[in-house]
Amino acid sequence: DSGVTQTPKHLITATGQRVTLRCSPRSGDLSVYWYQQSLDQGLQFLIQYYNGEERAKGNILERFSAQQFPDLHSELNLSSLELGDSALYFCASSASGRLDEQYFGPGTRLTVT
Amino acid sequence: AQSVTQLDSHVSVSEGTPVLLRCNYSSSYSPSLFWYVQHPNKGLQLLLKYTSAATLVKGINGFEAEFKKSETSFHLTKPSAHMSDAAEYFCVVTGDSSYKLIFGSGTRLLVRP
Repeated sequence: DSGVTQTPKHLITATGQRVTLRCSPRSGDLSVYWYQQSLDQGLQFLIQYYNGEERAKGNILERFSAQQFPDLHSELNLSSLELGDSALYFCASSASGRLDEQYFGPGTRLTVT
Repeated sequence: AQSVTQLDSHVSVSEGTPVLLRCNYSSSYSPSLFWYVQHPNKGLQLLLKYTSAATLVKGINGFEAEFKKSETSFHLTKPSAHMSDAAEYFCVVTGDSSYKLIFGSGTRLLVRP
């Protein structure tokens, strides 16, 4: 158990809808990262937050947004969902904004029908 | 730009025989390199990391990797495979911002009894 929790574990929704994925980092970790894992594109970095502020951005679509709250949990919002958004979404956390070890949560499997 | 290539999508070994998972990287500066493992329906777990200290890195579960700058390689090895090693393995390099991780396409390790 990495200490990173993600909810929900599974999510099934229809095209055009909006969903929110939630992540709680390990106790004491200030950085949260979001990744998308799909069959065709593999594992891709989406975005990183450090202590409430956006720190780095990867291949995140404009339909997607994230935030990190004062208690350090993070939410990833996915809107106007398309079939291609079906994937496993991972959250990871690390101690600080530097490149420390990242600890991954179990993931949220999103299925868009 | 940084990139990582995992040379084999699948590797099959017999239990008790050595494991070699190959990884080549491309980086415009001294990178940090990692190997992560993903068991079925689980999140990713860090096996080991190289951050410009010793070139031979020992990780968990008997795995180790050697950083070879001249060959731009970071191959993962284990002397004797165990059935529980069956999983997908990802070679990872740090991105240019050092905050994001760039994942290889993964190597699925099959261990035959």
